[in-house]
Amino acid sequence: EVVLTQSPGTLSLSPGERATLSCRASQSVGSNFVAWYQHKPGQAPRLLMYGTSKRATGIPDRFSGSGSGTDFTLTISRLEPEDFAVYYCQYYGQRFGPGTKVEVK
Amino acid sequence: EVQLVESGGDLVQPGGSLRLSCAASGFTLSAYWMTWVRQAPGKGLEFVANIKKDGTYKVYVDSVKGRFTISRDNAQNLLFLQMNSLRVEDTGVYYCARDVTYAVDSWGQGTLVSVST
Repeated sequence: EVVLTQSPGTLSLSPGERATLSCRASQSVGSNFVAWYQHKPGQAPRLLMYGTSKRATGIPDRFSGSGSGTDFTLTISRLEPEDFAVYYCQYYGQRFGPGTKVEVK
Repeated sequence: EVQLVESGGDLVQPGGSLRLSCAASGFTLSAYWMTWVRQAPGKGLEFVANIKKDGTYKVYVDSVKGRFTISRDNAQNLLFLQMNSLRVEDTGVYYCARDVTYAVDSWGQGTLVSVST
């Protein structure tokens, strides 16, 4: 079974900075199977990326995804105040990684 | 507009049962796989179960196999999660969600399940 790990656990950054979030799979997976979500307290999670690099509807282009094999990355080019949240990667529409919290430095 | 509204969450004792419902609107339920995801207090998201468009195929996380049953009524635009033999570790917010290809694109606001004495 595929296990996802995410790093770092917490990322402390300032608005305007670049955020790079990592998701590593325990074995090689197809790039079609990796998605990313944003989750804020008290809200429903939101799909950001699917198929590794495809932005979901309405997601601004400061969000981008990349990767292949076992290593996948979500990049936020310039953090906006509303981007501070927890981010999860997901494999095959099922298993989630443990999450990365992006917090204000 | 796609809407998913969960209901049925409650406080229940260990060993008890609950049935969660999810009312879908704004899209044709029968055209989509559907998923339940949960979040325990202070923890991350966890896939619970999903179900094929016509209800003939279901997948469960190991920790709920034999205790939870996912089902759907496409005619009534409803998704269900029957939860039996509940444990303290089943406590959390349960989200109903719509599947797209290897991802989940729409989520409800969640319903709270508390399992405690």
